[in-house]
Amino acid sequence: EIVMTQSPATLSVSPGERATLSCRASQSVSSNLAWYQQKPGQAPRLLIYGASTRATGIPARFSGSGSGTEFTLTISSLQSEDFAVYYCQQYNNWPPKFTFGPGTKVDIK
Amino acid sequence: QVTLRESGPALVKPTQTLTLTCTFSGFSLSTSGMCVSWIRQPPGKALEWLALIDWDDDKYYSTSLKTRLTISKDTSKNQVVLTMTNMDPVDTATYYCARIRYYGSGSYLPFDYWGQGTLVTVSS
Repeated sequence: EIVMTQSPATLSVSPGERATLSCRASQSVSSNLAWYQQKPGQAPRLLIYGASTRATGIPARFSGSGSGTEFTLTISSLQSEDFAVYYCQQYNNWPPKFTFGPGTKVDIK
Repeated sequence: QVTLRESGPALVKPTQTLTLTCTFSGFSLSTSGMCVSWIRQPPGKALEWLALIDWDDDKYYSTSLKTRLTISKDTSKNQVVLTMTNMDPVDTATYYCARIRYYGSGSYLPFDYWGQGTLVTVSS
């Protein structure tokens, strides 16, 4: 099973500042990496897929990069609605055995 | 537009079998490439993928839960059903269904639409 790790566990950021979240896979997942945002009481929302492609309707302040085992989600200027938990997920396996990271909570500094 | 909605019991007793239904609209599971998965999330914890069923009725399961899970579909009703046997308190979680698409050569796109989730508590 591909194990996903994320760092940091919690990131305290002031509104307007830049946030950089990291995700690492235990083996290469190529670019088959997605990022999701989850707010309390809500389902996850797809932000980024293919490591760097924004999903429909996702603001340009969200960007993803990386390939292989190391990935980054950057939020260029945090808005109040961006404070949430962010999960990375790999979807590289065949047959499918999708795995998620433990999440990074972005909270207000 | 695409929507998914989970339904099932809010409370089950240990050792019982859980049956959850995902009712969806805006796409068809008879369309090539369309798939539905179940994912769960214990309170305050991370997401865990459970199972996937595709348009061709192929089924895939989490390695750790494979012996307890069964996924099935009723294309005419736009429903996917997940059963999980021998429920335990550690199975207490919000259970989500989500759409995922296959585009060939063993490749998928990620979960693009999710239901709102249903909280299942396992307690005697």
